[in-house]
Amino acid sequence: EPEVTQTPSHQVTQMGQEVILRCVPISNHLYFYWYRQILGQKVEFLVSFYNNEISEKSEIFDDQFSVERPDGSNFTLKIRSTKLEDSAMYFCASSRDGEAFFGQGTRLTVV
Amino acid sequence: GESVGLHLPTLSVQEGDNSIINCAYSNSASDYFIWYKQESGKGPQFIIDIRSNMDKRQGQRVTVLLNKTVKHLSLQIAATQPGDSAVYFCAEKYNQAGTALIFGKGTTLSVSS
Repeated sequence: EPEVTQTPSHQVTQMGQEVILRCVPISNHLYFYWYRQILGQKVEFLVSFYNNEISEKSEIFDDQFSVERPDGSNFTLKIRSTKLEDSAMYFCASSRDGEAFFGQGTRLTVV
Repeated sequence: GESVGLHLPTLSVQEGDNSIINCAYSNSASDYFIWYKQESGKGPQFIIDIRSNMDKRQGQRVTVLLNKTVKHLSLQIAATQPGDSAVYFCAEKYNQAGTALIFGKGTTLSVSS
C-alpha cells in the first residue's frame, strides 16, 4: 500500500540553526501539505502546495518557513533560525482529490 | 476563534460497547468534514468523511452524523475494540475553496477489555 514517508523520524537541533524536514508523498498525488502538532495538542495546518507553488498557508507559516519540491518525488519543509517553540511533530501529507494521507511524522526538538 | 472543536477530551468505554464522539463547528458555510484517528506515535489516519448535502454516512463499524442545524458532527463506532483506542479528531476545510484541513482538539478514546 502506498504511503507518505518522512525523514528523519527525530531531529534535534540547537536554537538558531536551520533544519530541513523531508517527505516523499504518494507518487500520483497532486496536493502536498505540512502540518505540525505540539505535544498533547491538536494538529495545526502550516502550508499546502499544488502545481509547484504554495496554494494555502496559515498564520503560523511565516518568513521563517519555506517549502520546496526539488525534484519529482521529494517535498521539504525548511525552518530557518529555529526557536524553542518550534519543537513539535511535523507531519507531511498528500492527497489526490479527496482524503489526505499522513506520514508518520518527524519529531523536531529544539534545544 | 477556533472553528472546529470537540465536546469531551476523553471517553472511556468497555470493549463491545458503542462509542459516540462529538464535534461542534462554528462555520455554517463548511461543506466537508472528516474524522481522523491518531494512534500513539503515528500520523492521523483517515476514517470517514461526509459532505454537507448528507446527514449520515456509514463505513465499516463507523457512522458519521451531521446536523447542520446545530452545527454538530458525531462519529459512532460500533462494537468498540481495544484497537480503536486512539485520539479522534474531526476536521473541516481550512478554506472552503482549498484542500487543507483545520483540526479540532481531539477526543482520547480508551477501550478496556
